[in-house]
Amino acid sequence: ELKVEQNPLFLSMQEGKNYTIYCNYSTTSDRLYWYRQDPGKSLESLFVLLSNGAVKQEGRLMASLDTKARLSTLHITAAVHDLSATYFCAVGRNYNQGGKLIFGQGTELSVKP
Amino acid sequence: KAGVTQTPRYLIKTRGQQVTLSCSPISGHRSVSWYQQTPGQGLQFLFEYFSETQRNKGNFPGRFSGRQFSNSRSEMNVSTLELGDSALYLCASSLVTAGAGNTIYFGEGSWLTVV
Repeated sequence: ELKVEQNPLFLSMQEGKNYTIYCNYSTTSDRLYWYRQDPGKSLESLFVLLSNGAVKQEGRLMASLDTKARLSTLHITAAVHDLSATYFCAVGRNYNQGGKLIFGQGTELSVKP
Repeated sequence: KAGVTQTPRYLIKTRGQQVTLSCSPISGHRSVSWYQQTPGQGLQFLFEYFSETQRNKGNFPGRFSGRQFSNSRSEMNVSTLELGDSALYLCASSLVTAGAGNTIYFGEGSWLTVV
C-alpha cells in the first residue's frame, strides 16, 4: 500500500529564513504533486514532478524529486508572510491509477515577521 | 477560463439523510476525481471518473457513490449520512487522464456538516 509521509508537520519560520519540507513515499511512483492550501480554501497546484532529478522553481519555492530515494523536497527561500499556508505533497502510482492521488499529512507553515 | 465549479458550497444535513454534490470540471477536462478532507484523516481519495466510467475507487463504504455525465460533469452521492461524513468534499479535474502527468486542478469544495 502506498504511503506518503511529510515532515515536519508544523513549521514556524521567521521571514527571510530558508527551510525545506520533505515528502517520502513508500513505493514506486511516476508522478508527484505539490499543493498549497490556505485556511478554508481549496488546493492550489504548485508543481508536478514526473522524472528522477526533476527540479521546478516558482518564486521563492523550489521542488525536486529523487525517485530512487522516493523523496521529494519543497525548499523555501527567504520566506515571507504570504507563504503561510498548509503544503501537501501527493503521489500517483501509474497510468492506470489515473486521478488517484495519495496525499501526505500536510505541513502547516507559519512565517512570522 | 473558468475553474472547477462545485455546488453547493455549504450544506447542513441530518443523520440518515442523503446528499448529492455536483462538480463541473474545467472545459475540455474529461477526468474527474473526488476527495474527502477531514482534520483527522486528511485528504482521502473517493473515486475517479473518465468518460462516464469509474476508473478507480478508494476505500469508502458503498454509501458513497458517484457518476459522470456525457458532458464530463460529475455528481457524488452519500446516503444514510453519519456524523463522521462531515467534511470538505473536493472535486478535481484534469485534461485527459491524470496518469499522463497533467496538472490536477481542484474546485473550492463543498462543506458538508452532518448534525
